[in-house]
Amino acid sequence: ETGVTQTPRHLVMGMTNKKSLKCEQHLGHNAMYWYKQSAKKPLELMFVYSLEERVENNSVPSRFSPECPNSSHLFLHLHTLQPEDSALYLCASSPGRESHEQYFGPGTRLTVT
Amino acid sequence: QKEVEQNSGPLSVPEGAIASLNCTYSDRGSQSFFWYRQYSGKSPELIMFIYSNGDKEDGRFTAQLNKASQYVSLLIRDSQPSDSATYLCAPRGSQGNLIFGKGTKLSVKP
Repeated sequence: ETGVTQTPRHLVMGMTNKKSLKCEQHLGHNAMYWYKQSAKKPLELMFVYSLEERVENNSVPSRFSPECPNSSHLFLHLHTLQPEDSALYLCASSPGRESHEQYFGPGTRLTVT
Repeated sequence: QKEVEQNSGPLSVPEGAIASLNCTYSDRGSQSFFWYRQYSGKSPELIMFIYSNGDKEDGRFTAQLNKASQYVSLLIRDSQPSDSATYLCAPRGSQGNLIFGKGTKLSVKP
């Protein structure tokens, strides 16, 4: 596997479910990110981890809970979501926090019913 | 609220023409600027970055930056149908994060 991978690629969940999104980067990077991409809206940064420490939480509701057990893996735990949370969730990584390029994973298309 | 403005398009150009994509930003503290391309159903990929005022060329792509006017653009010469995608402008804000615009959808007609 190369680059940034995300699983699952598609997820349909009810508002009472609990699920997790997984991201793995095989690039030896130190920074990882979660973004949300909704139709007609810009990419929204949700969380930033640098060397496994959360360095940014962009006022994201507590029903989204990130976890970074090591520099290669990033999770987004989901519980009691709302239909408006349906979106494409993108993970990205970069060599460091201030690096030029962020490499994006393919995303998880989430639908909340 | 830091903002990035882009025309949503679609911008339609014939094959072989120059496509011009424009972006304005509100954060005067931004020092570096990135252009991402996103094909339908795919994730964004970086195509250009620019730090200094003026032009930066890379193959068929030229990025232009004017910090005084808070304006950055991307020119695509000899446009190809494979260039059809949404182009995202992303200045790095003064807090260190990328701030994305909504993107301009480009359509190159054969």
